Amino acid sequence: AQTVTQSQPEMSVQEAETVTLSCTYDTSESNYYLFWYKQPPSRQMILVIRQEAYKQQNATENRFSVNFQKAAKSFSLKISDSQLGDTAMYFCAFKASNTGKLIFGQGTTLQVKP
Amino acid sequence: GAVVSQHPSWVICKSGTSVKIECRSLDFQATTMFWYRQFPKQSLMLMATSNEGSKATYEQGVEKDKFLINHASLTLSTLTVTSAHPEDSSFYICSAGTGGSYSNQPQHFGDGTRLSIL
Repeated sequence: AQTVTQSQPEMSVQEAETVTLSCTYDTSESNYYLFWYKQPPSRQMILVIRQEAYKQQNATENRFSVNFQKAAKSFSLKISDSQLGDTAMYFCAFKASNTGKLIFGQGTTLQVKP
Repeated sequence: GAVVSQHPSWVICKSGTSVKIECRSLDFQATTMFWYRQFPKQSLMLMATSNEGSKATYEQGVEKDKFLINHASLTLSTLTVTSAHPEDSSFYICSAGTGGSYSNQPQHFGDGTRLSIL
């Protein structure tokens, strides 16, 4: 069975600084996808970034980038130039290529301070 | 594009009543939709996978008779919480993916339904 672990329940960062959220996962699958979702206080789930396991290049979306280490089964999210609107709960998620199910980590609550 | 609409956003009802939550894909067809439950400050827990035209697949520990799922069309799935009790109070979220359940496309989520049973 696949598992996703986020070991940082809460984090804070000053506005304009950089923060990294950790995520590790466990799977015996070779083909899979990884995602980071953001859930602000409105509780809407918003896709931040995604990574295909077969791609070696780390995904980047504007201020958001990942550090994907397949051998270590690690998938961290880096947020650069943090903004107040980045305050939210962040979930790392895993999806095997042979199933549509998303498996979520426990979540990390990020507070961006002015 | 890829908008998922969930209704109602908030419902309060008395213990013993049944509550229906709708999940619609507005601009794409979804052969598979997913239903999650989320307690405050916790992660999303998958309850069931809803397949158009067939029975839903429930996760272990989820009562099929309590949480009835119907996926009658390619754009609509419903979750009915039958004979709801206070312990069923939670935040329920649906999602759907474009390109089928096995694609690399991300799931798109509805805005969720906050269910409060008195």
